Amino acid sequence: AQKITQTQPGMFVQEKEAVTLDCTYDTSDQSYGLFWYKQPSSGEMIFLIYQGSYDEQNATEGRYSLNFQKARKSANLVISASQLGDSAMYFCAMREGAGSNYKLTFGKGTLLTVNP
Amino acid sequence: KAGVTQTPRYLIKTRGQQVTLSCSPISGHRSVSWYQQTPGQGLQFLFEYFSETQRNKGNFPGRFSGRQFSNSRSEMNVSTLELGDSALYLCASSLGQAARFQETQYFGPGTRLLVL
Repeated sequence: AQKITQTQPGMFVQEKEAVTLDCTYDTSDQSYGLFWYKQPSSGEMIFLIYQGSYDEQNATEGRYSLNFQKARKSANLVISASQLGDSAMYFCAMREGAGSNYKLTFGKGTLLTVNP
Repeated sequence: KAGVTQTPRYLIKTRGQQVTLSCSPISGHRSVSWYQQTPGQGLQFLFEYFSETQRNKGNFPGRFSGRQFSNSRSEMNVSTLELGDSALYLCASSLGQAARFQETQYFGPGTRLLVL
């Protein structure tokens, strides 16, 4: 079974609108971290936001927020006020606890296109 | 603080050759991880080094190896290159402290390897 599932291969959003990118995860660990990365066409993976399994509040970083629903095992990324520069691949990733050697596991990604 | 750097950025090799990729982590980071990214398989974990020791390993053949130096710089070597080794190779660094599931990995720009 996939550890990280991103069901939206591609998403389109109008500039200045908000968009939600979906991510569900599968783990039996109690301790884990969830991460979102952005990968522009240049290839570099840019860290956006982190949510820990014990965090009670949803993480926010500027225009990025993470909608964390632990019982449903989902960690959706919300980008507010989209900008043209937000067009990129977005990856959800999970780092599990000691039993999995803290390996970072990625989803397949969602290609976001922001239209003017 | 300077980010993660990788050299070279682009590389063209032929089948059967070997290649060495280099990664310099963020200053103070002691953990370096390597990933392979291909369109078909996505992002796959290769290995992690910490304090000059391999701490974690993914499911790749022995042709893929790495090492880490005392200054935390890391190299990855692929011997007897195959066409399927064509990929973007990403290096990521993190502090390498306890509770590693909370640690953010910061990525370099990657090395694009083309095997002909």
